[in-house]
Amino acid sequence: DIQMTQSPSSLSASVGDRITITCRASQSISTYLSWFQQKPGKAPKLLIYGASSLQSGVPSRFSGSGFGTDFTLTISSLQPEDFATYYCQQSYITPSFGQGTKLAIK
Amino acid sequence: EVQLVESGGGLVQPGRSLRLSCAASGFTFDDYAMHWVRQVPGKGLEWVSGVTYNSDSIGYAAFVEGRFTISRDNAKKVLYLQMNNLRGEDTALYYCAKDVRRLRSTVNSDLEFWGQGTLVTVSS
Repeated sequence: DIQMTQSPSSLSASVGDRITITCRASQSISTYLSWFQQKPGKAPKLLIYGASSLQSGVPSRFSGSGFGTDFTLTISSLQPEDFATYYCQQSYITPSFGQGTKLAIK
Repeated sequence: EVQLVESGGGLVQPGRSLRLSCAASGFTFDDYAMHWVRQVPGKGLEWVSGVTYNSDSIGYAAFVEGRFTISRDNAKKVLYLQMNNLRGEDTALYYCAKDVRRLRSTVNSDLEFWGQGTLVTVSS
């Protein structure tokens, strides 16, 4: 199994801030990495797949990068609707998720 | 509009069985791998099982230990999860999810669209 580790586990930021969330895989996964956003009581929403491809309809302030074992999700200018929990997921082998990063308003 | 509607959850005693269903609409169901992912309320996401578009390849998480069976009926556009010998730790919200890519031959998927989930509670 591939273990996915996100950091930080929680983060406080303000509207307009630029933030980065990191995801590390226990072995190389090439670019087989997705990012999801989940709000309370809602299903996860795909933001990024293939490490850096923006899902249709997702605002361009979201971006992803990385290769191998280290990946990042960046939100360039936080909006009020971005405060949520974010998960990474590898699809190199059968899927597995990071533990999540909760992004809260400072 | 893509829709995935899960059903079949509920309260069940340990050791009993439950079958979950996921009715799909708004896309060509038989072109996409489908998955089950679960989430204990307030906790993280955990992949359970996946099946390719043509059922040629199926995968399960290690914790399933032969207790769950995933299947699909492409004519009816329905995904199933038969869960046997349920345990308390199986208590969770179960989501079905659709692959982002058509005709993928493995269950190593990016999960594009998710239903709203069905809650399974295992308790005596």
